[in-house]
Amino acid sequence: SQKIEQNSEALNIQEGKTATLTCNYTNYSPAYLQWYRQDPGRGPVFLLLIRENEKEKRKERLKVTFDTTLKQSLFHITASQPADSATYLCAYISGGYNKLIFGAGTRLAVHP
Amino acid sequence: GAGVSQSPSNKVTEKGKDVELRCDPISGHTALYWYRQSLGQGLEFLIYFQGNSAPDKSGLPSDRFSAERTGGSVSTLTIQRTQQEDSAVYLCASTTGTSSLAGNEQFFGPGTRLTVL
Repeated sequence: SQKIEQNSEALNIQEGKTATLTCNYTNYSPAYLQWYRQDPGRGPVFLLLIRENEKEKRKERLKVTFDTTLKQSLFHITASQPADSATYLCAYISGGYNKLIFGAGTRLAVHP
Repeated sequence: GAGVSQSPSNKVTEKGKDVELRCDPISGHTALYWYRQSLGQGLEFLIYFQGNSAPDKSGLPSDRFSAERTGGSVSTLTIQRTQQEDSAVYLCASTTGTSSLAGNEQFFGPGTRLTVL
């Protein structure tokens, strides 16, 4: 079955460092991946989308890479801030419409 | 403009009772999704509505779960004879396009936290 996996352990980093989160998928070749941020008690908020023909996508301090050979996407936050602390979810589309398959998410904690 | 809204924000019920969860999508969004998120888990797809087409119910975990969308807008997720394992956050999302090629972002509501005692 199609699977998408993210590091289940929380990532703790120091403010100002770069946070790198990993998303791996199996048994599927998605045309693109989406990344979402989720804060406690709230629904996910869309951050970035990267297509299979794009190696890298940037938005302000965020960068996403997509390696179709490794079946992996990396999500980077540079110059991290405590306000970046949240759970980050990756997802891909399955089927002929926008049904998203989500990973379990990785919780990021940025310490001052 | 207003985002996706859901009600109630919290619902506590007793095992065996029926519950109804409501979702108001963003105006003009033709696609609506329901997901379930258990503690520490990712989002689990439940059901998808697109316009007047028959919904995709492939994610509903049992026949106790049903959903409808009236007038192409508001949607209600109903859980009959609730069980303790139904306890989770139920999230609704809407989006504009139908093409998977577009990869349209989904806009999520805040969720309804359901607790079955």
